[in-house]
Amino acid sequence: DVKVTQSSRYLVKRTGEKVFLECVQDMDHENMFWYRQDPGLGLRLIYFSYDVKMKEKGDIPEGYSVSREKKERFSLILESASTNQTSMYLCASSSLRPPGELFFGEGSRLTVL
Amino acid sequence: GNSVTQMEGPVTLSEEAFLTINCTYTATGYPSLFWYVQYPGEGLQLLLKATKADDKGSNKGFEATYRKETTSFHLEKGSVQVSDSAVYFCALRAGGTSYGKLTFGQGTILTVHP
Repeated sequence: DVKVTQSSRYLVKRTGEKVFLECVQDMDHENMFWYRQDPGLGLRLIYFSYDVKMKEKGDIPEGYSVSREKKERFSLILESASTNQTSMYLCASSSLRPPGELFFGEGSRLTVL
Repeated sequence: GNSVTQMEGPVTLSEEAFLTINCTYTATGYPSLFWYVQYPGEGLQLLLKATKADDKGSNKGFEATYRKETTSFHLEKGSVQVSDSAVYFCALRAGGTSYGKLTFGQGTILTVHP
């Protein structure tokens, strides 16, 4: 069965801390994505990657960076966490081949105090 | 640009009622269309999909038909159950060089009472 695994389901961090969210997929997918989900705002794309070491900004990249050193792993980094980054973070992957549906992880709920 | 508009929620129904969640889209070319479901505390799961006009996607009693003439992909189920309570997202993947990005609607919260 296909699987996208996010390293932490729940995290609590303090303002100014550096935060790493890890995501691993076992489907050999080319594309990987990071979304954040907030009530009333739906899903918003932060960053995505279509190949190893390649990354593209999504709709809300400010305050975030990403790393993709291996095909199966895509990391989201908050260099200096702020309270407005408290959210649910969802990782997803997809194949290049159509129809290209996304497969999601369980999500990581981050609280920044 | 591409966009997806879903009916406002929340939607509250009694068990065995008929469900419709409206979804319309704007996109260039010929997008693929998806419905995702998110159960409480979980990530999103693909519910069904359609890749070309007049295709009907179906799964777990849910159906949606890709209507190019009305740019719609409405989700329907004939008889809902309490276990269908979740958030439902409509999404599209545009063709061309979109790198597989999906554009999502805002989501519709469905609550089904016994």
